[in-house]
Amino acid sequence: DTGVSQNPRHKITKRGQNVTFRCDPISEHNRLYWYRQTLGQGPEFLTYFQNEAQLEKSRLLSDRFSAERPKGSFSTLEIQRTEQGDSAMYLCASSPPGAANTEAFFGQGTRLTVV
Amino acid sequence: QQQVKQSPQSLIVQKGGISIINCAYENTAFDYFPWYQQFPGKGPALLIAIRPDVSEKKEGRFTISFNKSAKQFSLHIMDSQPGDSATYFCAAAGTYKYIFGTGTRLKVLA
Repeated sequence: DTGVSQNPRHKITKRGQNVTFRCDPISEHNRLYWYRQTLGQGPEFLTYFQNEAQLEKSRLLSDRFSAERPKGSFSTLEIQRTEQGDSAMYLCASSPPGAANTEAFFGQGTRLTVV
Repeated sequence: QQQVKQSPQSLIVQKGGISIINCAYENTAFDYFPWYQQFPGKGPALLIAIRPDVSEKKEGRFTISFNKSAKQFSLHIMDSQPGDSATYFCAAAGTYKYIFGTGTRLKVLA
């Protein structure tokens, strides 16, 4: 296991369609995060999982967004009824157990384009 | 209070020079300060990080200087190389999430 894996790398969808992204964290990392990054900006926090529990959600995560981590391993992020404003890079990161705030390792991201 | 302010927005440095990027934060509850390097189309890669009980940390050509009283921290890239040309983000960690700065686009001229 060489790092955080995200699939697909690119997704083009029509407005109004649903999309789902997958993240496989580094083995034994119990913490998993989703971020969104738009062009020219820093990543913005979306949600955080510790094992299978979703402990924090940003107000950026509207009711069209849902994230799961059913068995505390991989995670999925679903966007329903996509809008053009959802076009962004969706990044997943994972951290090992231990101190509350520690190093987070990011995947290569999923680039979403809503047309 | 949740913002992290980063400057400059862009930076051009000659090969072999020192690149300096600065960040400032407001929330004293932040307790972990990483720097990330990002190339176009790639995810951010962790470069170096510091905790507030340390004033400086060095790893190879990369140094973080941390001023707790001023609530500021900076990244110094010594002997900058063209391969360092990328966007750099500072971040501050609080309550299991990172707050990122807006990024600095660094270009190192050969």
